[in-house]
Amino acid sequence: NAGVTQTPKFQVLKTGQSMTLQCAQDMNHEYMSWYRQDPGMGLRLIHYSVGAGITDQGEVPNGYNVSRSTTEDFPLRLLSAAPSQTSVYFCASSGAPGARSYGYTFGSGTRLTVV
Amino acid sequence: GNSVTQMEGPVTLSEEAFLTINCTYTATGYPSLFWYVQYPGEGLQLLLKATKADDKGSNKGFEATYRKETTSFHLEKGSVQVSDSAVYFCALRPGNTGKLIFGQGTTLQVKP
Repeated sequence: NAGVTQTPKFQVLKTGQSMTLQCAQDMNHEYMSWYRQDPGMGLRLIHYSVGAGITDQGEVPNGYNVSRSTTEDFPLRLLSAAPSQTSVYFCASSGAPGARSYGYTFGSGTRLTVV
Repeated sequence: GNSVTQMEGPVTLSEEAFLTINCTYTATGYPSLFWYVQYPGEGLQLLLKATKADDKGSNKGFEATYRKETTSFHLEKGSVQVSDSAVYFCALRPGNTGKLIFGQGTTLQVKP
């Protein structure tokens, strides 16, 4: 099982550039989420999805877009990168309530630097 | 609203010492509760979980009991090892939502 796969692992962007962080899971999980981790601030939810075609905003959605066209994939788009978006980004997936997989599995992260 | 509060770190212990990391929460309804661990340079791994009041989650010698009356989910281990050095996150998942809300994390350092 590959679990949750994030690409790229590292990325440097210039201010104003756009890019897409990729996330794929092979566990047939319904739920997927994106978090950012910043020193001293823990993990903050950006966007999440409860199934294909359904997404919702988390705590810090501004500057990011998501879509969920398939169960497996949940890409995160940065529309116009800003230095404040320098962070480590984690994608995670989870099974439905009551399932053994009801507890998010995290990817290994993407370290993004915006200069 | 929903929130999680963890004790501030770092927590520094000697090998074989007893560990407690406090976690309290505020939530509407009946959340599920989780502990995650993050080793240096890695992503988060689910350590244990509890989905209803009085449930005890356990894994790798760690335990936590879901206490609804005190809104707490404290992490304990009877004898820590150097390899347990990591950052520990308490988290809650409200109801049947897709959200996972984290505490700030507690850094544990275990010295030989």
